[in-house]
Amino acid sequence: DAGVTQSPTHLIKTRGQQVTLRCSPKSGHDTVSWYQQALGQGPQFIFQYYEEEERQRGNFPDRFSGHQFPNYSSELNVNALLLGDSALYLCASSGGDNRVYEQYFGPGTRLTVT
Amino acid sequence: AQSVAQPEDQVNVAEGNPLTVKCTYSVSGNPYLFWYVQYPNRGLQFLLKYITGDNLVKGSYGFEAEFNKSQTSFHLKKPSALVSDSALYFCAVRETRGQNFVFGPGTRLSVLP
Repeated sequence: DAGVTQSPTHLIKTRGQQVTLRCSPKSGHDTVSWYQQALGQGPQFIFQYYEEEERQRGNFPDRFSGHQFPNYSSELNVNALLLGDSALYLCASSGGDNRVYEQYFGPGTRLTVT
Repeated sequence: AQSVAQPEDQVNVAEGNPLTVKCTYSVSGNPYLFWYVQYPNRGLQFLLKYITGDNLVKGSYGFEAEFNKSQTSFHLKKPSALVSDSALYFCAVRETRGQNFVFGPGTRLSVLP
């Protein structure tokens, strides 16, 4: 049973560029959440996708956008990159109904903005 | 707004001794509480959760946590620490309504041989 997978593992971008990160959820999961984890901090919630719609969003600017595909995989897009966007980006998947599920995390994508 | 505090940046314990990693939370309404562990260059791994019911929750790798509503705490415990338990531990809370998890800042646990 494949867990949550993310690609790429590492990425180096320049300020002002755009980046797309990808996530495939754990088998049987239909909900994907994205988090940003800056060095030395806990993960910060960016947004969650369910049924191809953004269900909830954290306190992140519109430069951060996402998408969920019919197969439940998801992308995180960040435009006009800033140095402060350098972080580990984590994808987490879970079941989507109203029961309270733990989230299963992928290994993350390390983004460095220079 | 919901929040999580982990008052200790670092916890050191000798192998074989009991360990406690502290967590307090603030939510409106009933909380759903979680503990995760993160090893270097890895994502977060789920340890245990409290939804309702018994205040003592047992989880993976011999860990357990005690929910205390009056103290708004959810401390992680293990009777006998292993060197391999050394990692970064995160407490998280989810509100009854809403889907996002709010994580604490993390506590680094070092188990010394």
